[in-house]
Amino acid sequence: AQTVTQSQPEMSVQEAETVTLSCTYDTSESDYYLFWYKQPPSRQMILVIRQEAYKQQNATENRFSVNFQKAAKSFSLKISDSQLGDAAMYFCAYIYPQGGSEKLVFGKGTKLTVNP
Amino acid sequence: DGGITQSPKYLFRKEGQNVTLSCEQNLNHDAMYWYRQDPGQGLRLIYYSQIVNDFQKGDIAEGYSVSREKKESFPLTVTSAQKNPTAFYLCASSTGQRNEQYFGPGTRLTVT
Repeated sequence: AQTVTQSQPEMSVQEAETVTLSCTYDTSESDYYLFWYKQPPSRQMILVIRQEAYKQQNATENRFSVNFQKAAKSFSLKISDSQLGDAAMYFCAYIYPQGGSEKLVFGKGTKLTVNP
Repeated sequence: DGGITQSPKYLFRKEGQNVTLSCEQNLNHDAMYWYRQDPGQGLRLIYYSQIVNDFQKGDIAEGYSVSREKKESFPLTVTSAQKNPTAFYLCASSTGQRNEQYFGPGTRLTVT
């Protein structure tokens, strides 16, 4: 079964500090993509960052970066210089092919609080 | 402005009534998806459609139905057979090819 596990239901960080959110996944596929989505209080899902499994280089988007360890099936998100607007639920997700289409599997999320 | 719209934002129904949630996209995406989100849960896939006039059941399809008569539209009907329909429903679309999904603003359905 394809599963995504986020072991930290809640995390908190001080403004301007760095925080890392954990994600592990289980798959037998070799070709897949990984994503981090952010869901602020408005509940709009917003893509934060994506990583292709065939790429060894870790993806980076401004203050957001990932640590992708393919052998360990780990995909953590690092947020640098945390801002109040980063407070949200963060979901790790994994997309894989299935029968000519593709499916996205989500973890249960990590609630991030940013303290001023 | 390209995007996904879902209406209404809040919906209230009495138990035993069917209700249809709207999802429209003008991104020219082939694939569309419906998810359900409950407190403490991630998003769970209800139905998805890769092309017009074709759709597949997701992980929790029981009590739901969909149609895909137009590329832009993918309405979800919550039937009276759904045992616990109160939830937040999100619609998404993508180009496929392992690309990210774009989400609508969601509909909060409350059934009493």
